[in-house]
Amino acid sequence: KQEVTQIPAALSVPEGENLVLNCSFTDSAIYNLQWFRQDPGKGLTSLLLIQSSQREQTSGRLNASLDKSSGRSTLYIAASQPGDSATYLCAVRTILTSGTYKYIFGTGTRLKVLA
Amino acid sequence: NAGVTQTPKFQVLKTGQSMTLQCAQDMNHNSMYWYRQDPGMGLRLIYYSASEGTTDKGEVPNGYNVSRLNKREFSLRLESAAPSQTSVYFCASTGGRNTEAFFGQGTRLTVV
Repeated sequence: KQEVTQIPAALSVPEGENLVLNCSFTDSAIYNLQWFRQDPGKGLTSLLLIQSSQREQTSGRLNASLDKSSGRSTLYIAASQPGDSATYLCAVRTILTSGTYKYIFGTGTRLKVLA
Repeated sequence: NAGVTQTPKFQVLKTGQSMTLQCAQDMNHNSMYWYRQDPGMGLRLIYYSASEGTTDKGEVPNGYNVSRLNKREFSLRLESAAPSQTSVYFCASTGGRNTEAFFGQGTRLTVV
């Protein structure tokens, strides 16, 4: 059974710091991995999608890497800003017996960037 | 482009009442999902629909029913609400297997 773990559960950093959020999964048979951001009381906003054949994806100050064989992904945030404060969720996409797909989520890392 | 739209945003029910949560997407996606999010437990899949006309149970289906009304709409029904169903409910949709998932803004449900 696929399990997704995110460490740390919470993180507080001063503005300007570069930081790394970790995501690990137990079954390497995934189609892709997606990183989301969730602001309090809001829905999930997609940040980056990494296909299983890719090693990394970049969008602005965000860089996500994927090492499928070791079951790990990292989200790197450069030059953090107070506006980056949110909960970050990773999700792996796995196939179901019906032939469709579902996302298995980690419980998230709650990030606070201090001004 | 609205993406995934959920209604209502907030709802308070009494134990035993019924209600339907609505979800619609305008991205022509085949697959739609209902998740619930609870503190410390992450998002858990309730039901999903691989395509119009099909629905399947996820991890926590008990107490819920769903209807894939057409390609755009996927509703979640609570027939007899219980306090354990107090949660935030999210609808999501995806296209092909290598595409992103898009989520609605959520419905915050309280059962008293």
